Formats: sequence, structure tokens, C-alpha cells
Amino acid sequence: NAGVTQTPKFQVLKTGQSMTLQCAQDMNHNSMYWYRQDPGMGLRLIYYSASEGTTDKGEVPNGYNVSRLNKREFSLRLESAAPSQTSVYFCASSGGQNEQYFGPGTRLTVT
Amino acid sequence: RKEVEQDPGPFNVPEGATVAFNCTYSNSASQSFFWYRQDCRKEPKLLMSVYSSGNEDGRFTAQLNRASQYISLLIRDSKLSDSATYLCVVNAMDSSYKLIFGSGTRLLVRP
Repeated sequence: NAGVTQTPKFQVLKTGQSMTLQCAQDMNHNSMYWYRQDPGMGLRLIYYSASEGTTDKGEVPNGYNVSRLNKREFSLRLESAAPSQTSVYFCASSGGQNEQYFGPGTRLTVT
Repeated sequence: RKEVEQDPGPFNVPEGATVAFNCTYSNSASQSFFWYRQDCRKEPKLLMSVYSSGNEDGRFTAQLNRASQYISLLIRDSKLSDSATYLCVVNAMDSSYKLIFGSGTRLLVRP
């Protein structure tokens, strides 16, 4: 049972480049989430999808877009990367009891 | 005021010690409470849910005080492997789907 998987694990971008972070879960969870974690800042919610077909903004959505491709997959896109988006990105999913399960993260550096 | 506040630590304790962390939250209507553990450069992992009556899982005990709006985590007989950052988590005011993560309390257990 893989749980939540994320690709890629590491990525270096130049300012202005675009990329998509992929996330998939095999736990049949309805809700999925994207967070970023910066030193001393804790986890901050970027976007979430309460159920297939819906997406909503979190605390820090600017500069990002998301797609809930199906129940399993939730992708995060950076259209024009900026150095301020250098961070560790975590995807998570949640079933019926509110607890969330996280993927291993993507470490993104924007130069 | 932050929605979830924790002492960042670090708490530096010898093996075998008992250590306790507290966390305060601002939303009196919160219904879901969790403790997560995060190892360096890894994803957060659910340690335990926190129930109104308090709950225990081996060496770990979680308590909820709704009147004072705080959650506690007690670790007995600390092991070297308990060294990690412990995140206090509460559901958000505006959506039951969303969780708010504290910035974490760092624990170092020394031989």
C-alpha cells in the first residue's frame, strides 16, 4: 500500500519557468491538499480539494493553480516560478475522520 | 494571535525522562485535534488523535482542555528515537476539511 506518492522528489527551476507537481493517493480518500513548508513558518495550505470536482484556495494560493484530475490525483502547477516559491511542498489526503496523511514531499529550488 | 501556538523548544532531555508539550488554540468551536510527528526533512506523520476524554497510546498520552483551549502531549520513558518535531493540529474555523498546523516543538533526547 503506497499511501500518498509525489513526484518529483527534487526540482531546480529558473525564475519564470513552469512546472507541475504530481500527487496520487491509493486510500480512496475524498479530500486532498497541497501545503508548503518553509523554515520557521510551519505548514501553510496552498489549495485543497474537498471532493472530486471541487477545489478551493487555502492560505497562500497566489502563484499556484491546481487540478483534481480524478479521485486519486491532485496536481499543483507553478506557471511562472519565483525565488519566493523555493520551499518543500507536501501533498496530503484525508478520509472521513479529518486526519491527513502526507506524501514524502518535493524539494523545490527556484534560482 | 496565531490559531495554533506552540513553544518551539528545543526541549533537551535525557533518555528515560518524561517530557510534556502544551499547545494553545484560538477557535473555541474546534472539534478535531491531533498530534503529528515530523522528523528532519521528512513528511509529518500522524502520532495520535486527541479525544475529549484524553487518550493514551503506549508511552504517549494526549489531553484536551476545552475550557482553557489547550492540548497537551506527554511522553514517558523517552527514547533516542523520539527526537523529532511535534506538531499540534486543530481543524480550521472556516472549514472542517482544513487543518491548522502549529509550527512545532522540537524534542532532542540525549543518551
